[in-house]
Amino acid sequence: ETGVTQSPTHLIKTRGQQVTLRCSSQSGHNTVSWYQQALGQGPQFIFQYYREEENGRGNFPPRFSGLQFPNYSSELNVNALELDDSALYLCASSGEREGETQYFGPGTRLLVL
Amino acid sequence: DQQVKQNSPSLSVQEGRISILNCDYTNSMFDYFLWYKKYPAEGPTFLISISSIKDKNEDGRFTVFLNKSAKHLSLHIVPSQPGDSAVYFCAARTGTASKLTFGTGTRLQVTL
Repeated sequence: ETGVTQSPTHLIKTRGQQVTLRCSSQSGHNTVSWYQQALGQGPQFIFQYYREEENGRGNFPPRFSGLQFPNYSSELNVNALELDDSALYLCASSGEREGETQYFGPGTRLLVL
Repeated sequence: DQQVKQNSPSLSVQEGRISILNCDYTNSMFDYFLWYKKYPAEGPTFLISISSIKDKNEDGRFTVFLNKSAKHLSLHIVPSQPGDSAVYFCAARTGTASKLTFGTGTRLQVTL
């Protein structure tokens, strides 16, 4: 059974650019959640996808968008990058039943210059 | 508005002693609580959870206590081991909601 994987591990972008981060969920999981963790803070919920549909969204602007694919992998897209978008982006997967524990990937560290 | 608070940014404990990590919350709708451990360059790892219908849950060296009236929970690690050195996050959820609300974390250092 493979765990949650994310790519890339690190990324450097400049203000105004766009970025796509990728996540493969744990085997058997069909729900993916994305979190942003700024330095010195806890993870903040961005949104969740369940069976390719958005299933809950946190307090993030529309330039943060996502996709989930039929194999339950997921992408997080951020447009018009700002300096404050510099953070660790974490993906978590969970199973079919509502309320199941979320298991996290190692994260993608994004630096916006 | 920080709905889940971990007021101690760091804690140092000797190997073999008890580590007690604390967490307070303000949202009375939270009814499920989790603890995650995070090592550098890794994602958070699930440790233990507790439903609001219980006041204690135990798993090996880890015990979580919940005091609903005080809106407070704590994680006890006994005995503490050097490998427990990590950042510990408290998280909370409402019902079966998708969103986890995290605290800011407590860095635990277990010394020899």
